[in-house]
Amino acid sequence: DVKVTQSSRYLVKRTGEKVFLECVQDMDHENMFWYRQDPGLGLRLIYFSYDVKMKEKGDIPEGYSVSREKKERFSLILESASTNQTSMYLCASSLSRAQDTQYFGPGTRLTVL
Amino acid sequence: DQQVKQNSPSLSVQEGRISILNCDYTNSMFDYFLWYKKYPAEGPTFLISISSIKDKNEDGRFTVFLNKSAKHLSLHIVPSQPGDSAVYFCASYNQGGKLIFGQGTELSVKP
Repeated sequence: DVKVTQSSRYLVKRTGEKVFLECVQDMDHENMFWYRQDPGLGLRLIYFSYDVKMKEKGDIPEGYSVSREKKERFSLILESASTNQTSMYLCASSLSRAQDTQYFGPGTRLTVL
Repeated sequence: DQQVKQNSPSLSVQEGRISILNCDYTNSMFDYFLWYKKYPAEGPTFLISISSIKDKNEDGRFTVFLNKSAKHLSLHIVPSQPGDSAVYFCASYNQGGKLIFGQGTELSVKP
């Protein structure tokens, strides 16, 4: 079974803080993704990575950066958290670049005060 | 521009009856579709998929139908169970290889 884990289930931060969200997968998947889920908007892609040290912008990258130093780990960074970044953050991984099933972690509910 | 649309934010059905969740897409080049199920405070889990070379795919109680001419797909759950209560997302890969999700439909199955 694919296992994708995220460092925190719930997180509360203050405006202006730097926030790190960590994601680890244990199935040697090439691809990793960060989404945010907001009511009525579905899942929106923030950043993704097809290989170590590679990153690509998704549909809503503003205010975020990512890091992929190891194949199994993909970090999402909020450089200066703002209240409009309060959301559910979901990490996913998939085996290859083809139309492959993405497997999701449990999510991190981030609240920015 | 919402390329994958789920126009019903919620659906309520009685236990044992059929649940039908609908999804429309705008790009005729989309050729692979997935359904995910999401419980509160958990990540989405893959449910079932369909390729455009088929018009139906079945897995137990779950069947997905694809109507390419109408750019429409639907997920049928028969019979519905209370444990099926969740948010269901349809998704498709665009030409750039990104997975595009619909807004989700919250299904409530009442005993």
